[in-house]
Amino acid sequence: AQKITQTQPGMFVQEKEAVTLDCTYDTSDQSYGLFWYKQPSSGEMIFLIYQGSYDEQNATEGRYSLNFQKARKSANLVISASQLGDSAMYFCAMREASTSYDKVIFGPGTSLSVIP
Amino acid sequence: DGGITQSPKYLFRKEGQNVTLSCEQNLNHDAMYWYRQDPGQGLRLIYYSQIVNDFQKGDIAEGYSVSREKKESFPLTVTSAQKNPTAFYLCAIGDSNEQLFGPGTRLTVL
Repeated sequence: AQKITQTQPGMFVQEKEAVTLDCTYDTSDQSYGLFWYKQPSSGEMIFLIYQGSYDEQNATEGRYSLNFQKARKSANLVISASQLGDSAMYFCAMREASTSYDKVIFGPGTSLSVIP
Repeated sequence: DGGITQSPKYLFRKEGQNVTLSCEQNLNHDAMYWYRQDPGQGLRLIYYSQIVNDFQKGDIAEGYSVSREKKESFPLTVTSAQKNPTAFYLCAIGDSNEQLFGPGTRLTVL
């Protein structure tokens, strides 16, 4: 069964606007972590933001924030004031505490295009 | 500078040949990982290692082998048994809150 779902294969946003990238996950663990990564066309995976399942506040890192809704099992990424350099693939990922190692499961990704 | 290096950036291989992809880190992390990414898809775990001289299979280990003789190095060998090896390969180091990735190696089988 798919553990990480990203329902938006492609998204467009106007420069300087905010955009939300959707991510839902499936786990029976109480302790888990959620990640977002950015992958530009160069291929490098860039860590953006992390949210622990017990964190009471939504994680924020500069223009990135994670809208964590635990009961709905969603962890949407919000990018404020989009820039042309934000055009990339974005991956949502999850680490489950029940695994014996720090295995991270990745979603299929969302392609974001920022329009000038 | 601290970081993760992968070499080569691009690699071409003839069918039936084994090739080894390099991954080196100087961040003193115990855990290292190899992922495979196919076009338009997410990452899938090939192998991981939590400590020197120990490694475990991931979700798609068939046709691959690894070694972990040094903490800094975790090379991946793509063997001739891997039926469809053309892909982008990413090495990572990690802990509970973060995985850091190398720049990747793009392997093409001719």
